[in-house]
Amino acid sequence: QSALTQPPSASGSPGQSVTISCTGTRGDVGGYDYVSWYQQHPGKAPKLMIYEVAKRPSGVPARFSGSKSGITASLTVSGLQAEDEADYYCSSYAGISNFVVFGGGTKLTVL
Amino acid sequence: QVQLQESGPGLVKSSETLSLTCTVSGDSITSSYWSWIRQPPGKGLEWIGYMYHNGNTNYNPSLKSRVTISVDTSKKQFSLKLSSVTAEDTAVYYCTKDLTPGSYWYFDLWGRGTLVTVSS
Repeated sequence: QSALTQPPSASGSPGQSVTISCTGTRGDVGGYDYVSWYQQHPGKAPKLMIYEVAKRPSGVPARFSGSKSGITASLTVSGLQAEDEADYYCSSYAGISNFVVFGGGTKLTVL
Repeated sequence: QVQLQESGPGLVKSSETLSLTCTVSGDSITSSYWSWIRQPPGKGLEWIGYMYHNGNTNYNPSLKSRVTISVDTSKKQFSLKLSSVTAEDTAVYYCTKDLTPGSYWYFDLWGRGTLVTVSS
């Protein structure tokens, strides 16, 4: 069982927006602004899409955005495109006892 | 361009020790935190641990008793050893590099991953 809770699936039509949630505790998501999101296509390594809750690494489209409220972080993909279909994982710093935790992943389907 | 490449046996017998190496090219191994992350087939990601070139390491508490991560700066390699493996340790193992120096909780660069199967 993963430390962070994500919905197993999400979907949207091309052009629409979809939001994926990631719920933790005060010991991880709620306690630090060190939440990140990763995109993983089948058979590929994950790719960092969002860090520090809402920042995008160079090269990540602005369609990807992140936010956090309390113990829940969210990833929003706007203007869905076919290539956005992938698994998405959230992650958080969890202090000096647990260090790094991941969510179980959400499979995003573009209808 | 920085690249990471995992290497090691793809098959390990139950109760033995899994050993993997990650070779860093295009960057100094002394500039970042380097982590191992694994992913069982069809499942999610699990952070195993990190190391810094000075020997500083930290491990996932659930694996701490079985894990050792070490570095060979002369070869620009860091290694993972996981002892007393069981079928639950079957996974794709990734080596990773942090986003900015010190931010070991962000994994910016990943190797392609290597599948390790534990057999009985």
